[in-house]
Amino acid sequence: EDQVTQSPEALRLQEGESSSLNCSYTVSGLRGLFWYRQDPGKGPEFLFTLYSAGEEKEKERLKATLTKKESFLHITAPKPEDSATYLCAVQETNAGKSTFGDGTTLTVKP
Amino acid sequence: GAGVSQSPRYKVAKRGQDVALRCDPISGHVSLFWYQQALGQGPEFLTYFQNEAQLDKSGLPSDRFFAERPEGSVSTLKIQRTQQEDSAVYLCASSLGARLYTDTQYFGPGTRLTVL
Repeated sequence: EDQVTQSPEALRLQEGESSSLNCSYTVSGLRGLFWYRQDPGKGPEFLFTLYSAGEEKEKERLKATLTKKESFLHITAPKPEDSATYLCAVQETNAGKSTFGDGTTLTVKP
Repeated sequence: GAGVSQSPRYKVAKRGQDVALRCDPISGHVSLFWYQQALGQGPEFLTYFQNEAQLDKSGLPSDRFFAERPEGSVSTLKIQRTQQEDSAVYLCASSLGARLYTDTQYFGPGTRLTVL
């Protein structure tokens, strides 16, 4: 059974203080790993898809990386508007569904 | 363009009542997913449709849960004889392609169900 574990559960940063969020996964065959952002009262918003180890993707202050066992979401010089819960999900080969972790709640203080 | 919409946004039910939750996917999207999200947890898969065919319902927690997508567009998740443990946010997502593709899933805002 697919498993996704995210750490830390919560992260508080000062504005401009860079850090990383971790997503460890166990899957028999990885089709894709997804990162989403979820704001309170809203559905998850897609950020990135990573397909193979060594792949990296960037969007503004966010950079996602992937190894065979984990993915990192690096946040460079965060701003208060980056405060949200960040969710990681994996999709197994030949499966339509995604398995999500429980997320990391990021709070960025001005 | 319009995103995924869900209605109602909030639903309060007395234990034992039946509820129906609606999802309007993005027009033209082939795949539709339902997830259940408990407070403080990530979404958990319930069921998946490709057009009108329900290809995976392995995540439905009991036979009280039923989903349909009769014309391959709008979907309804029905919960019969609701129980307190059914209280959660129910999320719907749609994606453009069929299951063989790693498609971006676009989520709706969810329906928050509270069972008293």
